[in-house]
Amino acid sequence: QIQLVQSGAEVKKPGASVKVSCKTSGYIFTDYHINWVRQAPGQGLEWIGWISTHNGGTNFAGKFQGRVTLTTDRSTRMGDMELRALRPDDTAVYYCARDGVGATHFDHWGQGTRVIVSS
Amino acid sequence: EFVLTQSPDTLSLSPGERATLSCRASQAISDINLAWYQHKPGQAPRLLISGASSRAAGVPDRFTGSGSGTDFTLTINSLEPDDFAVYYCQQHDNTRFTFGPGTRLDFK
Repeated sequence: QIQLVQSGAEVKKPGASVKVSCKTSGYIFTDYHINWVRQAPGQGLEWIGWISTHNGGTNFAGKFQGRVTLTTDRSTRMGDMELRALRPDDTAVYYCARDGVGATHFDHWGQGTRVIVSS
Repeated sequence: EFVLTQSPDTLSLSPGERATLSCRASQAISDINLAWYQHKPGQAPRLLISGASSRAAGVPDRFTGSGSGTDFTLTINSLEPDDFAVYYCQQHDNTRFTFGPGTRLDFK
């Protein structure tokens, strides 16, 4: 079955970087983008960006441009998100999600990775 | 900037009742680009509806999506205890995605 399994929780200091990984299985990897979405405590869902597993192209929400890097590896079927210059308000659960047919929605999600940014 | 507004913020109902959740877009969108999700604490969001009205695999037919243009609705008939959660609408505008702020469905 289709699965997206994320790396474990992270605690970082302000100014540091964090990398969250997403390992996929159960489908043709290069047929779907990997997206990243986060939820800060008490807040709603916020889309961060996507990466094409076909050609490595990326697109980001404006507020994350320049501070986030998305990568993907066909051989390992993994996607990674690196967020730099962390601030306390980056504390959130980060999800990877596969976009669905037509790339208009997210049909399968990882379990989430909690990232805490605190001095 | 594309904005989705959801109402109400919180909806308090009892099992067996019908829930009607609204999602309004700041500009007209194609039906294909509107989706709904259910999100429970400690879990990943779950896709309910894509293309404004197509139920995802395994979603009970108590969940119905409708609407067009700027106004979309998620209706949940005969609420069950497992339905109490936060519901988000989401739109896609060719390159980017936007979520609404969510509607919390609470026990009355």
